[in-house]
Amino acid sequence: DAMVIQNPRYQVTQFGKPVTLSCSQTLNHNVMYWYQQKSSQAPKLLFHYYDKDFNNEADTPDNFQSRRPNTSFCFLDIRSPGLGDAAMYLCATSSFPGRVMDEQFFGPGTRLTVL
Amino acid sequence: AQSVAQPEDQVNVAEGNPLTVKCTYSVSGNPYLFWYVQYPNRGLQFLLKYITGDNLVKGSYGFEAEFNKSQTSFHLKKPSALVSDSALYFCAVRPYGNNRLAFGKGNQVVVIP
Repeated sequence: DAMVIQNPRYQVTQFGKPVTLSCSQTLNHNVMYWYQQKSSQAPKLLFHYYDKDFNNEADTPDNFQSRRPNTSFCFLDIRSPGLGDAAMYLCATSSFPGRVMDEQFFGPGTRLTVL
Repeated sequence: AQSVAQPEDQVNVAEGNPLTVKCTYSVSGNPYLFWYVQYPNRGLQFLLKYITGDNLVKGSYGFEAEFNKSQTSFHLKKPSALVSDSALYFCAVRPYGNNRLAFGKGNQVVVIP
């Protein structure tokens, strides 16, 4: 089945130690999103890619970076994690933006713990 | 800018009773409206969407939602709730031509056996 896969599901890192979260998709969707979600709050969009075009949200800290080497994969890099970055990180995809009525498909998430 | 309001924090309902989760929105232009459900430690799962046409939209697991343009609402409903419907529900809106979803704060639904 076509899907959005996130690895690892649980990630523990130390304060200040760089960490990378991974997302892959078999849907062949043009758009990939990264969200941060804290304790039962609404997901907060960090950035998204339309193909290789990177779109950063204005309030996303510089500590968060992303890479999309090809259509299928997208990475979230946290350069120096702080305690406040502990959260669930959700990856999502959607199809060509001309079809704006298409819903976003979410991965299962990676829960990040910062010690 | 678009926004979504889900006025209740938690919705408690007895198993077998009707379930309603409220959502109102604000957006410029035509709204595309969505409901997602999230189970503990899982990603968001799509339930249903309104794009155009019939105001009553039917979705997964027996859920439906009614679009009301005059009241700018998109309430989620299920005629008979199950214990397994206990989860976090998010309403979201996306204006035409925009990739970004605006989520409501979410509603925790608790179905009591």
